[in-house]
Amino acid sequence: DTEVTQTPKHLVMGMTNKKSLKCEQHMGHRAMYWYKQKAKKPPELMFVYSYEKLSINESVPSRFSPECPNSSLLNLHLHALQPEDSALYLCASSQDWGRGTEAFFGQGTRLTVV
Amino acid sequence: QQQVKQSPQSLIVQKGGISIINCAYENTAFDYFPWYQQFPGKGPALLIAIRPDVSEKKEGRFTISFNKSAKQFSLHIMDSQPGDSATYFCAARTLNDYKLSFGAGTTVTVRA
Repeated sequence: DTEVTQTPKHLVMGMTNKKSLKCEQHMGHRAMYWYKQKAKKPPELMFVYSYEKLSINESVPSRFSPECPNSSLLNLHLHALQPEDSALYLCASSQDWGRGTEAFFGQGTRLTVV
Repeated sequence: QQQVKQSPQSLIVQKGGISIINCAYENTAFDYFPWYQQFPGKGPALLIAIRPDVSEKKEGRFTISFNKSAKQFSLHIMDSQPGDSATYFCAARTLNDYKLSFGAGTTVTVRA
């Protein structure tokens, strides 16, 4: 199983809503990532969890709050988002860092903030 | 500041032709160079990857060429098929880092 599963696939939320994106992998990977991707642009790293601890926060606004409940799950809690936060949010995982460690991406959640 | 420069932005190729995408980097500490293929509405999928101790790697119709001295690497898609129409991203990473530096992407259209 080389899948990273993200739910929901699509999400429309108002600027005052609170919602969560979920990501799951069962490959035994110990590093999990959140990326944001705007149309026709490459993915931009937001957060990295390594062994369930937050390892990297790429200066992401506090309206995005990551959580890693266990080694297979990764959540992204959203609150008071802005329309410019509309994007494809991608989860990825890898065995860890190190030579040749591939990152596997999920299908993404298409988020629209209205 | 983009650490990996990718060209062209887009290309159109006839079915059966060769698609060539080029990437260049500056950071000599980069140690791992993957290519990702992304279809509209989907996440990027790892296509093929290379390390700098190898000058070429081939998987099926996809070949990476790597020139360490020029700090360049390229993806060749041989016998291009309409199903290869997608956006391709090159990327690079240092040995002890999680962060992938992506190129800007190339949209490939294969005409039947």
